[in-house]
Amino acid sequence: DTEVTQTPKHLVMGMTNKKSLKCEQHMGHRAMYWYKQKAKKPPELMFVYSYEKLSINESVPSRFSPECPNSSLLNLHLHALQPEDSALYLCASSQDNSKQYFGPGTRLLVL
Amino acid sequence: GESVGLHLPTLSVQEGDNSIINCAYSNSASDYFIWYKQESGKGPQFIIDIRSNMDKRQGQRVTVLLNKTVKHLSLQIAATQPGDSAVYFCAENIGDSGAGSYQLTFGKGTKLSVIP
Repeated sequence: DTEVTQTPKHLVMGMTNKKSLKCEQHMGHRAMYWYKQKAKKPPELMFVYSYEKLSINESVPSRFSPECPNSSLLNLHLHALQPEDSALYLCASSQDNSKQYFGPGTRLLVL
Repeated sequence: GESVGLHLPTLSVQEGDNSIINCAYSNSASDYFIWYKQESGKGPQFIIDIRSNMDKRQGQRVTVLLNKTVKHLSLQIAATQPGDSAVYFCAENIGDSGAGSYQLTFGKGTKLSVIP
């Protein structure tokens, strides 16, 4: 199983809402990542988790709050987002400095 | 917002021809490189990777070449098919972040269009 799953596929939220994005992998990978991708642009790294601990936060605003409840799950909690936060949010996982596997993404629209 | 007319570099090839997609990377210390394919509405899909101790690696219908002297990476696709139409990104490992994790930086991407 080389699959990373993400839910929901699509999300529309207002600027005062609180929502969460979920990511799951069952490959036994100990590193998990959140990326943000705007249209016609490359993915940009947001957060890196290693062994369920946050190791990298790429100066992401606090309205994005990551959480790693266990080695298979990664969440991204969203609160008070802005319209410019609308994007495709991608989750990835990897093991031992090897290739990162990406999920299909959650397409987020903030109104 | 995005500029009007903003677009990705595009490569158009005839079905059956070979495709070459190029990428210049930024960090001479980068030791690991990956090519990804991203179809519309999907996440990036791994194609092939290469470490800095190699200058060539082959997969099924794909070859990656690494020239560390000029910090250049290329992806060659043999006998290009309509299903190869997608955006292709190169990515470099700009630094390990501990315990088997690392930071990938992606290139701008190239849109490959295959003409049937």
